[in-house]
Amino acid sequence: GAGVSQSPSNKVTEKGKDVELRCDPISGHTALYWYRQSLGQGLEFLIYFQGNSAPDKSGLPSDRFSAERTGGSVSTLTIQRTQQEDSAVYLCASSSHSSPSSYEQYFGPGTRLTVT
Amino acid sequence: GQNIDQPTEMTATEGAIVQINCTYQTSGFNGLFWYQQHAGEAPTFLSYNVLDGLEEKGRFSSFLSRSKGYSYLLLKELQMKDSASYLCAVRVVYKLSFGAGTTVTVRA
Repeated sequence: GAGVSQSPSNKVTEKGKDVELRCDPISGHTALYWYRQSLGQGLEFLIYFQGNSAPDKSGLPSDRFSAERTGGSVSTLTIQRTQQEDSAVYLCASSSHSSPSSYEQYFGPGTRLTVT
Repeated sequence: GQNIDQPTEMTATEGAIVQINCTYQTSGFNGLFWYQQHAGEAPTFLSYNVLDGLEEKGRFSSFLSRSKGYSYLLLKELQMKDSASYLCAVRVVYKLSFGAGTTVTVRA
């Protein structure tokens, strides 16, 4: 089966523009995560979706960041009025969470965002 | 908050053994993951420890001591393809908190 896919793979945008990043999780995975990875930094948690529950948005760095997950599958991360400090690789991961041993997260290849 | 520390870089020779340490101070603990990440690629799962002790999987082993807040990843018989970043991540309920990663360079 297919893994987690993300699009676009690379995005260059001008400061102040809005961008949308897309994630297609593994089919059947109810949990979906967004992370940000800046150069030399660890993965920074942004947001978590689980089924129909309210998302955990505690990692979103500002109100310019938002995300939604439609139909419990595809997710979109939107960054409004992009700033240069938003430049990073944005990674999406999904997980089945069907048992305590299945909290492994499967990562997509990421979207490299460059704000000029 | 969560604090997860691992060395920034390590260098080793092909065929040798390298041990990557990870110490953590977290509000809660449900397990510890190790992921491998090659440059420009997605992290891939290596191991998951929930209980104290050593888990062996081929050339890779991972150890956990919950009382000490400590884990290590042991890479044996190093190969050039093992040159990558290794990420330690602590699970608290559904969230993973990651260390900054250890870049391992394998030299011929």
